[in-house]
Amino acid sequence: KQEVTQIPAALSVPEGENLVLNCSFTDSAIYNLQWFRQDPGKGLTSLLLIQSSQREQTSGRLNASLDKSSGRSTLYIAASQPGDSATYLCASKIPNSGYALNFGKGTSLLVTP
Amino acid sequence: DTGVSQDPRHKITKRGQNVTFRCDPISEHNRLYWYRQTLGQGPEFLTYFQNEAQLEKSRLLSDRFSAERPKGSFSTLEIQRTEQGDSAMYLCASSLVVGLAGGPGNEQFFGPGTRLTVL
Repeated sequence: KQEVTQIPAALSVPEGENLVLNCSFTDSAIYNLQWFRQDPGKGLTSLLLIQSSQREQTSGRLNASLDKSSGRSTLYIAASQPGDSATYLCASKIPNSGYALNFGKGTSLLVTP
Repeated sequence: DTGVSQDPRHKITKRGQNVTFRCDPISEHNRLYWYRQTLGQGPEFLTYFQNEAQLEKSRLLSDRFSAERPKGSFSTLEIQRTEQGDSAMYLCASSLVVGLAGGPGNEQFFGPGTRLTVL
């Protein structure tokens, strides 16, 4: 069974810092990897989707990388803002369960003014 | 708004009661997933539909749970004889699969979830 681990579980940084969130997975036969944001009590908002053939994806201040051989993905957030405070989840899609997403527990991020 | 919608957003019920949730996927999406998320955890897969066919159920889905997608459009998730352990956020997601029915499909889009509290 695919295991997805996110480190750290929680992170607090002052506004303006660049930060890196880590995601590791045990099964390298992933189809793609997706990063989500979740605000308290809300659903999931997709941030970035990296196909297995890609190395990275960028959207605004966000950059996600994928290294299948090492089983790792990172989400880089540049110039963090208080509005970035949320829980960030990574999920891998592997060829079972109709390609359902297999999630980590998330990293809870707090950006202080 | 053409995103995934879920109803109700919140449900409080007493132990032993039955509850039903609804999910309306993005209109052209043929694949629909249900997930459950408890506090401090990531979402966990429950079941998925390809059009109206329910193709897989996880072991998390006990006999008290049933899901339908009668016309390949909206889906319902019913929990019978609710227990306190059923308290969670129930999330629905949809995606578009083209070509092979067993294919991975495109990006999954999630609804806002239904938060269930069983007293």
